[in-house]
Amino acid sequence: GAGVSQSPRYKVAKRGQDVALRCDPISGHVSLFWYQQALGQGPEFLTYFQNEAQLDKSGLPSDRFFAERPEGSVSTLKIQRTQQEDSAVYLCASSFDRGMMVEQFFGPGTRLTVL
Amino acid sequence: QKEVEQNSGPLSVPEGAIASLNCTYSDRGSQSFFWYRQYSGKSPELIMFIYSNGDKEDGRFTAQLNKASQYVSLLIRDSQPSDSATYLCAVSRSYNTDKLIFGTGTRLQVFP
Repeated sequence: GAGVSQSPRYKVAKRGQDVALRCDPISGHVSLFWYQQALGQGPEFLTYFQNEAQLDKSGLPSDRFFAERPEGSVSTLKIQRTQQEDSAVYLCASSFDRGMMVEQFFGPGTRLTVL
Repeated sequence: QKEVEQNSGPLSVPEGAIASLNCTYSDRGSQSFFWYRQYSGKSPELIMFIYSNGDKEDGRFTAQLNKASQYVSLLIRDSQPSDSATYLCAVSRSYNTDKLIFGTGTRLQVFP
């Protein structure tokens, strides 16, 4: 079946613009994560949803970052008033959430460049 | 101190050799440990997970965990050029669904 999809794959924004990044998880996956990966670094956790409930948003770097998953499937990560330090690849991952050692499946990411 | 530390490399090994990748973590409450492979410009893909002390083997890959030393490693036997990638170590505080804390990754180069 289809994997995790993300759109757009590439986004260029001028500093100060708002952006919205979309994630379509694997069908039936309950859990959804957003990570931010800067160049040469490992992914860093941003936020986690279980169905439509945002259970952990401790990784969101500022109040300019907002995520939602209103119907428990598609999720949107919104960044307001983008800054150059927001330039990174934004990865979405989903998991089925059953039993132990649940694998997180990653999407291809959205590469955001803020000029 | 970062929560998960890895040598950034690159680690260069000849084809057919054993590649040894290492990772240390600072949170003693960590329960689950993962190795992801990430090709350049691609997303991470899971290679192995481990949660008990000792070794876990899957084909050419062996994960080793020592909770007392807060150390996890990945051995790749009979390394192939196609194994050339960045290997990310990740830990979780839970046995179940939870956020992953990643290291910066070790870049592996396997030369023919």
